[in-house]
Amino acid sequence: AQTVTQSQPEMSVQEAETVTLSCTYDTSENNYYLFWYKQPPSRQMILVIRQEAYKQQNATENRFSVNFQKAAKSFSLKISDSQLGDTAMYFCAFMKHSNDMRFGAGTRLTVKP
Amino acid sequence: GAVVSQHPSRVICKSGTSVKIECRSLDFQATTMFWYRQFPKQSLMLMATSNEGSKATYEQGVEKDKFLINHASLTLSTLTVTSAHPEDSSFYICSADQQNTEAFFGQGTRLTVV
Repeated sequence: AQTVTQSQPEMSVQEAETVTLSCTYDTSENNYYLFWYKQPPSRQMILVIRQEAYKQQNATENRFSVNFQKAAKSFSLKISDSQLGDTAMYFCAFMKHSNDMRFGAGTRLTVKP
Repeated sequence: GAVVSQHPSRVICKSGTSVKIECRSLDFQATTMFWYRQFPKQSLMLMATSNEGSKATYEQGVEKDKFLINHASLTLSTLTVTSAHPEDSSFYICSADQQNTEAFFGQGTRLTVV
């Protein structure tokens, strides 16, 4: 079974600063997908960034980037130039091809003005 | 991206009654949909995998007779909470995957059983 671990229950960052959220996972699979989702107070799950395990290049989406270390089974999210609207719960998730998604416990991020 | 619509967004029901939650993929066909449950300040926990045209696959510890899932078409899956009790109060979220590489989530349903 796959497990996803987020070791930081809460994080805070000053507006315009950079913050990194940690995520590790455990799997015996070689092909899979990793995701970071944002869940604001509305509780809608919003995809932040996606990484295919077979790609060595780290995914980037504007201010969001990941550090994907396949051998170490690590998938951290870096948020640059943090904005107040980034305040939310962030979930790291693992998905095998054509399978369900498994989530970490989440990290509550607060961006302070 | 693909759109998944979940209805209702909020529902309050009396203890002992049943509640049906719908999950629709609006612009794509989904042979597989997933139902999650989220307690306050906790993560999403997979309840079951809904398969079009066949029985759902339930996670360990989830009562299939209490949480009835029907996936009658390629665009609709329903979750019925039968004989609801206050401990069933939670946030329920569905998702559907497109091309087996990404999941799209509904808006969620906040169920309160009084």
